[in-house]
Amino acid sequence: DGGITQSPKYLFRKEGQNVTLSCEQNLNHDAMYWYRQDPGQGLRLIYYSQIVNDFQKGDIAEGYSVSREKKESFPLTVTSAQKNPTAFYLCASGTSFYEQYFGPGTRLTVT
Amino acid sequence: AQKVTQAQTEISVVEKEDVTLDCVYETRDTTYYLFWYKQPPSGELVFLIRRNSFDEQNEISGRYSWNFQKSTSSFNFTITASQVVDSAVYFCALSEDTGGFKTIFGAGTRLFVKA
Repeated sequence: DGGITQSPKYLFRKEGQNVTLSCEQNLNHDAMYWYRQDPGQGLRLIYYSQIVNDFQKGDIAEGYSVSREKKESFPLTVTSAQKNPTAFYLCASGTSFYEQYFGPGTRLTVT
Repeated sequence: AQKVTQAQTEISVVEKEDVTLDCVYETRDTTYYLFWYKQPPSGELVFLIRRNSFDEQNEISGRYSWNFQKSTSSFNFTITASQVVDSAVYFCALSEDTGGFKTIFGAGTRLFVKA
């Protein structure tokens, strides 16, 4: 089955800890994205990558880091520098016509 | 600068009513792409449609239809004979050909369909 997988679905961390969210795709898409969604809000772009070993900051990259060592994988690390990390994180992969296919999301709670 | 406006924050209808979700966009590019996505309560966004700037033909897919009008910079989405399963948040989005794969999403419209 082709698609995007994100794990885990729910994640709990203590403040001050870094945490890495996984995103894998088997759609053979070049582009991958990370978005953050807060309750009742739209999507805000954190990072995106058009090709392996290359990525660009989105609108809210501060406190986050990514890597793109393989076409299939685009993990997101939420660092302790992120002031308000509790949110719903969505990963997507995209075609050359920019349509995006999303994973099921990870709900991160930091206390 | 690119911008997507969904002025309707929430809409509530009764099952079998028709409902139109509005989307207005701003762009300086001549080549761009417009999208609609659905986010059901489970949270995963589902791609519904893509329209490029050179194709103003309206599209119909079952109970869904889309009206793209460049003259008013609008890309509206109509659900005919709404059903409870249509309850979700719907996002309109815009990508510019010069934007380097970056997509701007509107704030979303939450649709409640009551039985």
